[in-house]
Amino acid sequence: EDKVVQSPLSLVVHEGDTVTLNCSYEVTNFRSLLWYKQEKKAPTFLFMLTSSGIEKKSGRLSSILDKKELSSILNITATQTGDSAIYLCAVWGSGNTPLVFGKGTRLSVIA
Amino acid sequence: NAGVTQTPKFQVLKTGQSMTLQCAQDMNHEYMSWYRQDPGMGLRLIHYSVGAGITDQGEVPNGYNVSRSTTEDFPLRLLSAAPSQTSVYFCASSYILDRGYNEQFFGPGTRLTVL
Repeated sequence: EDKVVQSPLSLVVHEGDTVTLNCSYEVTNFRSLLWYKQEKKAPTFLFMLTSSGIEKKSGRLSSILDKKELSSILNITATQTGDSAIYLCAVWGSGNTPLVFGKGTRLSVIA
Repeated sequence: NAGVTQTPKFQVLKTGQSMTLQCAQDMNHEYMSWYRQDPGMGLRLIHYSVGAGITDQGEVPNGYNVSRSTTEDFPLRLLSAAPSQTSVYFCASSYILDRGYNEQFFGPGTRLTVL
């Protein structure tokens, strides 16, 4: 059974800190890994990582895929209170298998 | 482009009632799915579909039915509502894998309370 595990489950940091969120996966025939940010509504897409695109960056957020270790990290530098959210990791396997989500990491950034 | 739309936004049911949560997308996505989200549980997959006429069960399918008669619509039916089905429900859609590994687009969600 495909599985995605995120750690930590929750995290509290101060503004300006750098955080690293982890995602590990077990999936048959990995195709891609997605990161989402969820505030008080529907998840919004951040990054998609594949075998041909193992590193993505957007502003203060960056993500790396480690296919050997079957994991990914999401880094947020110089955190702001607006970064407070649940960060979700999800993985696509092969064929018509569904997207599998982890339980998420709840990040709280305090001033 | 309306994206993924869900109705209603909020609903209160009594135990034993049935209802249908509507989901529609206008992006010609083959893949559609329903999730429920409870505090501390992340997104749990209820049912999904890889095209019209094809549906499959996810992690928590009991008490829910789906059908996919068109590419655009993927309604979720609660057969006999129970308090354990109190949750936020999200519908999502994307292209299927052989079109490229695109993001899954989410609807705004339906907050359901079963008394």
